[in-house]
Amino acid sequence: DTGVSQDPRHKITKRGQNVTFRCDPISEHNRLYWYRQTLGQGPEFLTYFQNEAQLEKSRLLSDRFSAERPKGSFSTLEIQRTEQGDSAMYLCASSPPRGNNEQFFGPGTRLTVL
Amino acid sequence: GIQVEQSPPDLILQEGANSTLRCNFSDSVNNLQWFHQNPWGQLINLFYIPSGTKQNGRLSATTVATERYSLLYISSSQTTDSGVYFCAVVRRGSNYKLTFGKGTLLTVNP
Repeated sequence: DTGVSQDPRHKITKRGQNVTFRCDPISEHNRLYWYRQTLGQGPEFLTYFQNEAQLEKSRLLSDRFSAERPKGSFSTLEIQRTEQGDSAMYLCASSPPRGNNEQFFGPGTRLTVL
Repeated sequence: GIQVEQSPPDLILQEGANSTLRCNFSDSVNNLQWFHQNPWGQLINLFYIPSGTKQNGRLSATTVATERYSLLYISSSQTTDSGVYFCAVVRRGSNYKLTFGKGTLLTVNP
């Protein structure tokens, strides 16, 4: 059983460019989460999907950010017109449909905006 | 929102020493997890422990939900235990999102 995977692991981009990250959750996990972690801080919640439905969005998720999970499997997080303040580690997690809500995290995508 | 406070912020130990990390939270929770973040940024699950006590090898954890705190014990520490330890909770009634503390940076010296 593979864990949560994320792609790419690292992304360097110039300010103003668009970037897209992908997350593949653990198979049969219907809940998927995106978090953002900046240096020296704990991860902060961005958004949550149950199957294909986006059920909650943090106010951290400005209108430059959009997340999708079109078929209830993998998810993408797009950042448009990147800014230097978007530089962070973007973490994806998933949890199973039944039982406890233990979340399992992927390795993250580290974004650097120059 | 719920507040999560971890202490101490930094801890330096000699190999073989024991340590206790604390997590205080400000509201009722229905999920509490402890993680170890490795140098590459990966969050490794240590415990899912909204209440009670669990042990896994040299690590154990206790959550006293009624008093809103959790403790992570590391015994006979090894250099590979170094890294940041995070406590994260889901506030009762919220939509499954984890709220993290700022972490404890543990350094174990040989």
